[in-house]
Amino acid sequence: NAGVMQNPRHLVRRRGQEARLRCSPMKGHSHVYWYRQLPEEGLKFMVYLQKENIIDESGMPKERFSAEFPKEGPSILRIQQVVRGDSAAYFCASSPPWRTEAFFGQGTRLTVV
Amino acid sequence: SQQGEEDPQALSIQEGENATMNCSYKTSINNLQWYRQNSGRGLVHLILIRSNEREKHSGRLRVTLDTSKKSSSLLITASRAADTASYFCATAKTSGSRLTFGEGTQLTVNP
Repeated sequence: NAGVMQNPRHLVRRRGQEARLRCSPMKGHSHVYWYRQLPEEGLKFMVYLQKENIIDESGMPKERFSAEFPKEGPSILRIQQVVRGDSAAYFCASSPPWRTEAFFGQGTRLTVV
Repeated sequence: SQQGEEDPQALSIQEGENATMNCSYKTSINNLQWYRQNSGRGLVHLILIRSNEREKHSGRLRVTLDTSKKSSSLLITASRAADTASYFCATAKTSGSRLTFGEGTQLTVNP
């Protein structure tokens, strides 16, 4: 059973471009969470999704950020018109409905130049 | 308000010594979890303790939870150089809800 897969591992975007981060949860996991980590800091919650539903998006910036977890395919975190402040590591985690602990991917490191 | 604040921010010990990290939180919780993060990598789940539990063991790890003080501690016994990593506590208000992480403790175990 492969772990949580995130791609790409590293992403460089120029200011104003769009960034798309993908997350394939572990098999059988229907809950997906996205977190952002700035250097030397802890993880900050962004959004919690189940298949085709956003359950909690209280950590998502109101503009430019969106997330989806379609019926088929990976979860996508989309950042439009990126700015330097979006540079961070973005982690995806998944869990099955009956487990509380989360399983994390290796993260996508976004650099905005 | 910041939930899950770790103390100390950084800890440096010699191999074989014990390492203790503390975590405080502000709101009621369903469970508290500890994660490890090696430099540049994702987080690895270490141990979960529920709000009705006071102590839990897993190998060289011992976790305590004091809900009256809203605090938890993680003890790593007989530390090894491979334990060098950042350690984060995370709280969940309900089972399956989002996790709120602290800022972490950077542990360095010197060989």
